[in-house]
Amino acid sequence: DGGITQSPKYLFRKEGQNVTLSCEQNLNHDAMYWYRQDPGQGLRLIYYSQIVNDFQKGDIAEGYSVSREKKESFPLTVTSAQKNPTAFYLCASSIRPAGYGYTFGSGTRLTVV
Amino acid sequence: AQSVTQLDSHVSVSEGTPVLLRCNYSSSYSPSLFWYVQHPNKGLQLLLKYTSAATLVKGINGFEAEFKKSETSFHLTKPSAHMSDAAEYFCVVTLILTSNTGKLIFGQGTTLQVKP
Repeated sequence: DGGITQSPKYLFRKEGQNVTLSCEQNLNHDAMYWYRQDPGQGLRLIYYSQIVNDFQKGDIAEGYSVSREKKESFPLTVTSAQKNPTAFYLCASSIRPAGYGYTFGSGTRLTVV
Repeated sequence: AQSVTQLDSHVSVSEGTPVLLRCNYSSSYSPSLFWYVQHPNKGLQLLLKYTSAATLVKGINGFEAEFKKSETSFHLTKPSAHMSDAAEYFCVVTLILTSNTGKLIFGQGTTLQVKP
């Protein structure tokens, strides 16, 4: 079945460490996204990518980095510069044209200890 | 500017009674609107979407929503609540970024509680 796989499901990080969250899709979607969710809030856009080797900052990109070397993969690195990284992170992809159909992964919960 | 407002942060219903989750939107062009459901520690599941076709949209699990342009509303309804419907619900509008990317603008969410 086609879908988006995020790993790991739970991740613990010590302060000052970088961590990378994995996102893989087999839907043949061009566009991919990373969102962050905090308790009691909706999702906020971190980064998005419309094609391979291209990505753009979203609303809260500071302290995060991404790469898009393959169509299927869009990993997110949470750097030590992110001041409050504890959150639930969701990866998504969409078909063209924009606005028609988004698929979400099951999420990664990151906790800084 | 695109935005959504979910009018209730928490809704409580009894099992078997109707569900109404309210959403108003603001959009500078004809919007694409979605309702998503999220169970605890899970990703988001699409319930239904409106993309300028029929104004009454039917989704999964017996949910439906009606797009009312005059009222800028997109309320979610279900005739009879089930215990498994207890979850967080998000009303979402799309902001077009490029020809093939769109940012999802989320409401703050409505927690649906279903009592036995």
